[in-house]
Amino acid sequence: DIVMTQSPDSLAVSLGEGATINCRSSQSVLYSSNNKNYLAWYQQKPGQPPKVLIYWASTRESGVPDRFSGSGSGTDFTLTISSLQAEDVAVYYCQQYYSTPYTFGQGTKLEIK
Amino acid sequence: QVQLQESGPGLVKPSETLSLSCTVSGGSISTYYWSWIRQPPGNGLQWIGYISYSGSTNYNPTLNSRVTISLDTSRNQFSLKLSSVTAADTAVYYCGRGYNWNAGAFNVWGQGTMVTVSS
Repeated sequence: DIVMTQSPDSLAVSLGEGATINCRSSQSVLYSSNNKNYLAWYQQKPGQPPKVLIYWASTRESGVPDRFSGSGSGTDFTLTISSLQAEDVAVYYCQQYYSTPYTFGQGTKLEIK
Repeated sequence: QVQLQESGPGLVKPSETLSLSCTVSGGSISTYYWSWIRQPPGNGLQWIGYISYSGSTNYNPTLNSRVTISLDTSRNQFSLKLSSVTAADTAVYYCGRGYNWNAGAFNVWGQGTMVTVSS
């Protein structure tokens, strides 16, 4: 199985400031034949299902604010929130869909400082 | 707009079989890949398995021997059966849909249903 490890486990950021969440996979999730990274980011608010923010490591899902961006390749990835809004308080998960079993990171809890 | 809704018992006894259904509305189940994902209380997400529109399945090896996912196209539903449950199977169970270009990234989720395993 591909193990996904996120850092930090929790993060407190002031409103309007930037936030960065890291994700590392135990093996590359870059598929050489199409040069795509099989990596998604999700946001989960209390009592709600996860919501996809980013797929292919850097493609924003329709309707997701452009303050959310994804970057990275191979085994190291980053989710960046450029200017934190109150509604961004949530747990964020990375997930690889390169191979089954699909696996998720342990989650990063983002709070307001 | 496709919507998913899980249903089934909220309480299952140890050693029995957990059975859940996911009803798809606003779209056909005869396309895409359909997954079950679970989340133990206060913990992260675990993919359980998927079934394709054609009925092929792929299960998480950690649960493989206990899991069955099936499709009912006449009811636009798919179902999960997990046998020989223990307290470790207590979780919120989500059904989800993959994108049309990949089974494993999920852009549609049900609201989730809490299942507790207890006598």
